[in-house]
Amino acid sequence: EAQVTQNPRYLITVTGKKLTVTCSQNMNHEYMSWYRQDPGLGLRQIYYSMNVEVTDKGDVPEGYKVSRKEKRNFPLILESPSPNQTSLYFCASSLFRTQETQYFGPGTRLLVL
Amino acid sequence: QKEVEQDPGPLSVPEGAIVSLNCTYSNSAFQYFMWYRQYSRKGPELLMYTYSSGNKEDGRFTAQVDKSSKYISLFIRDSQPSDSATYLCAMRTYAGGSQGNLIFGKGTKLSVKP
Repeated sequence: EAQVTQNPRYLITVTGKKLTVTCSQNMNHEYMSWYRQDPGLGLRQIYYSMNVEVTDKGDVPEGYKVSRKEKRNFPLILESPSPNQTSLYFCASSLFRTQETQYFGPGTRLLVL
Repeated sequence: QKEVEQDPGPLSVPEGAIVSLNCTYSNSAFQYFMWYRQYSRKGPELLMYTYSSGNKEDGRFTAQVDKSSKYISLFIRDSQPSDSATYLCAMRTYAGGSQGNLIFGKGTKLSVKP
């Protein structure tokens, strides 16, 4: 089954404690992306990757890091989480950047205390 | 002025009603338009997309684009309780032979009552 998986689905952490949210896709997609979704602000892109070792900033990259060492994986790293990073995070992938059908993961709900 | 404006609702309609969901935008470089549906506790999924002004129909769903007015709509005919979800408009620029990243509206929460 074609899918994007994220782990963990729910996470409660404290300010400053480094964390990683993993994302994996099994569709051999080149393009992967991270979004955050906040009430009243909608879905905003954090980082994206066009291919292995190629990443670029989206609209709200501050406080986040990403890496793309393998085609299937695109982890999101919060080196020093802060409460304003409490949000719902989605990973997405598509065959190429401009393909209309992006496949979204199930989401990771993060609470930073 | 934000690039994409979408009324967050919530919108509540009885089963069988015609639903109209709308987005306005300010950037005339937006050329590709999409509607995503997001069920509670799920990721968004693509519902419809269109490149040009006019209407595109898919079953009970019709996407309408008016580039002159910078206005897009999604119509749902014979709405069903299973249509209850948040609907996100999204659009992408095309300029100089290059397409930009997707910009999403905030989403409209729809509830269809049996």
